[in-house]
Amino acid sequence: DIQMTQSPSSLSASVGDRVTITCRASQSISSYLNWYQQKPGKAPKLLIYAASSLQSGVPSRFSGSGSGTDFTLTISSLQPEDFATYYCQQSYSTSFGQGTRLEIK
Amino acid sequence: EVQLVESGGGLVQPGGSLRLSCAASGFTFSSYWMSWVRQAPGKGLEWVANIKQDGSEKYYVDSVKGRFTISRDNAKNSLYLQMNSLRAEDTAVYYCARVQQQLVQGYYYYGMDVWGQGTTVTVSS
Repeated sequence: DIQMTQSPSSLSASVGDRVTITCRASQSISSYLNWYQQKPGKAPKLLIYAASSLQSGVPSRFSGSGSGTDFTLTISSLQPEDFATYYCQQSYSTSFGQGTRLEIK
Repeated sequence: EVQLVESGGGLVQPGGSLRLSCAASGFTFSSYWMSWVRQAPGKGLEWVANIKQDGSEKYYVDSVKGRFTISRDNAKNSLYLQMNSLRAEDTAVYYCARVQQQLVQGYYYYGMDVWGQGTTVTVSS
C-alpha cells in the first residue's frame, strides 16, 4: 500500500503569509496527487488535481507542485477563509495523508 | 444544482448492519465513478470504497473488505454502502463523493470533486 505523509501536522500563520505544506508518498505516484481543504463540520473541497492543476473556481493563490514522491501545496497570501485542514490524496490507489491543520497565529 | 445527499446513518450495536444511501442530482450519475469516504471523530479522511460507472469494478480499503459492499442503481441515481459486521472503529461520518476525470497532457487524472454533507454512523452498545 502507498502511504502518504504530510508535514507539518499543524501550522500557525498570519493573514497575508505565504504557506507551504508538504506531502510525501512512500513510492512514486507520478502526478497522481490531489489536495483538499476541509473546514470544521463541512465536507472536503477539491483544490488541486494532477499535482498542479487548479480545480475550477479555486482562487489562484493556491498552487501545487511536485511529481514522483514529493509534493507541495502553496498558498501565496493567506486569507481569513483559508484557515482549515488540508489533505493530500494519491489518486493512484486513493489513500489520504493525515492532514495539516492551518491555524491563525 | 449538482448535489449529493446521504442518508441512512444512525446508532447500531457492534456486529449489526446498516445501509447508507446517496442520492445524486444535477448531473449524469451513470457517467461517473463514485466513492465513499469516512472520517472518524477528530481524525482524518479515509477512503472506503469505489465503484465504476456500470458497477462492474469495485474496490475497498482492506479494513472493510468482506464486510462492506458498495453498489449503485443508475436508474435511481443512487449510490449505496451496505455495512455488515460493524465494529466500534467503523464509527465515523460517511461521505459519498463523485470522482471527476480530467485529461492533463494526455493522461487521465481523478479527484473527488463533489461531496455530500455526510451521514453519521455510530457503532456502540
